[in-house]
Amino acid sequence: DGGITQSPKYLFRKEGQNVTLSCEQNLNHDAMYWYRQDPGQGLRLIYYSQIVNDFQKGDIAEGYSVSREKKESFPLTVTSAQKNPTAFYLCASRGIMGNQPQHFGDGTRLSIL
Amino acid sequence: GENVEQHPSTLSVQEGDSAVIKCTYSDSASNYFPWYKQELGKGPQLIIDIRSNVGEKKDQRIAVTLNKTAKHFSLHITETQPEDSAVYFCAASPVTGGSYIPTFGRGTSLIVHP
Repeated sequence: DGGITQSPKYLFRKEGQNVTLSCEQNLNHDAMYWYRQDPGQGLRLIYYSQIVNDFQKGDIAEGYSVSREKKESFPLTVTSAQKNPTAFYLCASRGIMGNQPQHFGDGTRLSIL
Repeated sequence: GENVEQHPSTLSVQEGDSAVIKCTYSDSASNYFPWYKQELGKGPQLIIDIRSNVGEKKDQRIAVTLNKTAKHFSLHITETQPEDSAVYFCAASPVTGGSYIPTFGRGTSLIVHP
């Protein structure tokens, strides 16, 4: 059954700590995305990757980092430089041929201890 | 860049009524307009989409209309049911080759009262 898996579902971060959110897809999609969702806001783009070993900053990349070493994986690290990390984080993927829609995972909720 | 406005932010209807959510966009180059439904604690799920060469698309109780001249598109849900209660997002973007970076509306919380 193809899809996008995000883990963990809930994550807690201590002050000054980096944490990494996992996103894995078995849809054979080339493009992958990370979004941040806050209450009453739309989805804001953090980073995206169109192809392995390449990624681009989105609108709110400060305090975040990513890697794309494998087609199926696009982990997001929330660094200690991100001063307000409490949010719901969504990963998405998309095939790049034609007008294909994005497919989303079920998110990771990050909270500060 | 693209700017997407979505209204209303909250919509409350009785079961069986129709619901309409409207979005406007600014970039005339946008040519792909998906709608997503997000249930609590879940990721958004695509429910319907429309491309700029089509004015209307229907799938059972859900329809989307697009007015390219006015730069707005709307989601119509007929015969609403309690399970339609969720947050709905619109998005707009040009699709250029393989590149696709959508701009999302802020979402509409739909509440269907039984």
